[in-house]
Amino acid sequence: SQTIHQWPATLVQPVGSPLSLECTVEGTSNPNLYWYRQAAGRGLQLLFYSVGIGQISSEVPQNLSASRPQDRQFILSSKKLLLSDSGFYLCAWSEGGTGANVLTFGAGSRLTVL
Amino acid sequence: AQSVTQLGSHVSVSEGALVLLRCNYSSSVPPYLFWYVQYPNQGLQLLLKYTTGATLVKGINGFEAEFKKSETSFHLTKPSAPMSDAAEYFCAVSGLNSGGYQKVTFGTGTKLQVIP
Repeated sequence: SQTIHQWPATLVQPVGSPLSLECTVEGTSNPNLYWYRQAAGRGLQLLFYSVGIGQISSEVPQNLSASRPQDRQFILSSKKLLLSDSGFYLCAWSEGGTGANVLTFGAGSRLTVL
Repeated sequence: AQSVTQLGSHVSVSEGALVLLRCNYSSSVPPYLFWYVQYPNQGLQLLLKYTTGATLVKGINGFEAEFKKSETSFHLTKPSAPMSDAAEYFCAVSGLNSGGYQKVTFGTGTKLQVIP
């Protein structure tokens, strides 16, 4: 069966510090991978998606970047965090292709920038 | 462009009462529709999905939703809510985007409170 792991679960960082959140998927190959951010009362905002190694698409301009160094690894990064980067970050995967895109989510990473 | 509107950011029901969470969507192509549930400090979990075929979709934990194309709606219902159903519920629509992949757009969520 497929599993998705996301870490760290909780992170408190000062403004201006770097960020690295990591997500890995097991039990599948060539998944589509996603990073979402969830802010209170605003639902889920898609930040990045990837359909393959090294293929990253950004949905919104921001202070964050994403990389996919391996087929089942997806990393969210920032060189200098802003207060507005605080939030709950969710990694998700789905089967590749153009079919119904059922997303399976990780447990999330809560980032607080002080 | 596709979008989802969830009516009511907070809904309260008595324990054992009917649950009705409303969702309307906008999509230029036949959509795939989903309901997800999120418990505090956790990721989202799929409740049910509509792709094609029967418009009444049954999901996990006794939830069901009906796709009504004429009303562009996909409301979530459950006949009787236990306390454990208290959570946040998200409606989502998926459609093929210009990049050739299925993009999923979420509503802003509805927090369900179950009152004992």
